[in-house]
Amino acid sequence: DGGITQSPKYLFRKEGQNVTLSCEQNLNHDAMYWYRQDPGQGLRLIYYSQIVNDFQKGDIAEGYSVSREKKESFPLTVTSAQKNPTAFYLCASSPDRGYRNTEAFFGQGTRLTVV
Amino acid sequence: ELKVEQNPLFLSMQEGKNYTIYCNYSTTSDRLYWYRQDPGKSLESLFVLLSNGAVKQEGRLMASLDTKARLSTLHITAAVHDLSATYFCACGGYSGAGSYQLTFGKGTKLSVIP
Repeated sequence: DGGITQSPKYLFRKEGQNVTLSCEQNLNHDAMYWYRQDPGQGLRLIYYSQIVNDFQKGDIAEGYSVSREKKESFPLTVTSAQKNPTAFYLCASSPDRGYRNTEAFFGQGTRLTVV
Repeated sequence: ELKVEQNPLFLSMQEGKNYTIYCNYSTTSDRLYWYRQDPGKSLESLFVLLSNGAVKQEGRLMASLDTKARLSTLHITAAVHDLSATYFCACGGYSGAGSYQLTFGKGTKLSVIP
């Protein structure tokens, strides 16, 4: 079945540690996105990529990094520079470069907790 | 900058009652999305509204779009417990950097009580 797979579902990070969240899609979508959701809040865009080997910062990119070496994969690294990383992270993809022509499909999310 | 405001943020309603969730946005947007999120889960797409006057219905939920008023509504008819969830609206529009993005509201947490 086609879809977006995020892993792990739960992740614990120690202070000063970098961690990487995985996002893989087999939908042949061009565009992929990372969002952060805090309790009681909407989604805020971290990074997005509309084509392989290219990505742009969203509204809250500081303390995060991404790569897009393959069309299917868009991993997000939460670096030690991100001072408040505890949140629910959602990956999304859409067929076209941007949402303009269609809707986005979301993965099941990764819940990151700092311990 | 595109801003999206939903109200109410919390809604407790009895089964069988009707209610409306409102979504206002600040600048021109060419499409409006409604999503549902269950606790601890991801977002499920409900509706995509593409033009002024668009109305879509699925079961007890009906969404509409008024682009002139920059307003979308999600109307719940004869609520049942299974509709308890958080509902988000999101607007498509161009960012300052010229890229097309979705901007989300803060969500409306709906609780349907017997």
